[in-house]
Amino acid sequence: DVKVTQSSRYLVKRTGEKVFLECVQDMDHENMFWYRQDPGLGLRLIYFSYDVKMKEKGDIPEGYSVSREKKERFSLILESASTNQTSMYLCASSPEGLAGGNEQFFGPGTRLTVL
Amino acid sequence: GESVGLHLPTLSVQEGDNSIINCAYSNSASDYFIWYKQESGKGPQFIIDIRSNMDKRQGQRVTVLLNKTVKHLSLQIAATQPGDSAVYFCAENRGAAGNKLTFGGGTRVLVKP
Repeated sequence: DVKVTQSSRYLVKRTGEKVFLECVQDMDHENMFWYRQDPGLGLRLIYFSYDVKMKEKGDIPEGYSVSREKKERFSLILESASTNQTSMYLCASSPEGLAGGNEQFFGPGTRLTVL
Repeated sequence: GESVGLHLPTLSVQEGDNSIINCAYSNSASDYFIWYKQESGKGPQFIIDIRSNMDKRQGQRVTVLLNKTVKHLSLQIAATQPGDSAVYFCAENRGAAGNKLTFGGGTRVLVKP
């Protein structure tokens, strides 16, 4: 089975802190994604990566950065956490596979609270 | 603007009845659609997908229908069970590189015993 793991299920940070969210997948997938999920807004894409050291902005990249030094690991960084970044963060991965889209496999999520 | 959206935020269903969850999309270039189920405290899980060269696809107790003429997608769940209670998301791939998906806002399905 594909497994996507996230470093923390729950995280509480203070405003201004630097926050690292880690995601690891074990299926050698090329693509990895970071989303945030807020009530009524669904999943919104923050950043994605289609190869090691490659990254692309998603729909809401402001206030975030990412790092992909190894194929299996994709990190989301909040340089200076703010209260409006309190949210559920979901990581996903997918193979490159067929043109036109493929299933993304999700981790369990990290619920981040910024005080 | 272009979006993927759902008509009903909450759907209450009697156990044993069929459920229908609807989704509208506006990008005619979208060529892949997928439904996810998210239970409380978990990440989204794949249910079923469909490509734009198909109108219908069936899985175990689930059917996805795609109407490209009116840009409408639906998920039908047969004989709804308590374990089907969850939030359901539709998503589309607009042919973008890197398998990028755009998600709708989600519909909560509540199964009444």
